[in-house]
Amino acid sequence: EAGVTQFPSHSVIEKGQTVTLRCDPISGHDNLYWYRRVMGKEIKFLLHFVKESKQDESGMPNNRFLAERTGGTYSTLKVQPAELEDSGVYFCASSSQSVLNTEAFFGQGTRLTVV
Amino acid sequence: AQKVTQAQTEISVVEKEDVTLDCVYETRDTTYYLFWYKQPPSGELVFLIRRNSFDEQNEISGRYSWNFQKSTSSFNFTITASQVVDSAVYFCALSRDNYGQNFVFGPGTRLSVLP
Repeated sequence: EAGVTQFPSHSVIEKGQTVTLRCDPISGHDNLYWYRRVMGKEIKFLLHFVKESKQDESGMPNNRFLAERTGGTYSTLKVQPAELEDSGVYFCASSSQSVLNTEAFFGQGTRLTVV
Repeated sequence: AQKVTQAQTEISVVEKEDVTLDCVYETRDTTYYLFWYKQPPSGELVFLIRRNSFDEQNEISGRYSWNFQKSTSSFNFTITASQVVDSAVYFCALSRDNYGQNFVFGPGTRLSVLP
């Protein structure tokens, strides 16, 4: 079974440009999460989807960040326009809604560098 | 507010030594879950263990063991007879639910096991 997959693995963009990160969760997982780790700081929660609905987006830093999960399958996280402080590693995780006591499976992350 | 502290930023040991990674947490919740994740050089976060706040039994899984002490709010992780493949960043995390929503991560401890 494929794990959580994130694209791209690395992205280098200039300040002011737009970048879209993609996450493909494990098939059948209704829960999808985005986290990020900016340089030297802890991994922070961004938001949580249940299927296509945003369950909790309290961690989104500002309105330059837009997350979508059309159809309840893969998710995208767009940063527009990107700023220098957006540099970091963005992680996606998924878990099953229907299985009790299950853990969240993480992807390998997308390393975003804004120059 | 919830917080996870991993006081050891980096640890280096020689292969076959035992090593303990410390984790101290803060929460006002009576029900919570504690996790350990491993981040190998490939980047993904690999689930190691989940423990709920009502289960203070220590756990052993092969060379890994975990010591949960509610009295000191600690959830320490010990690797016995360390191996080079154990080299990674290890994160301790706290969550209010099993699904990973609102994980609060510690800053991570980078473990280097030298041959």
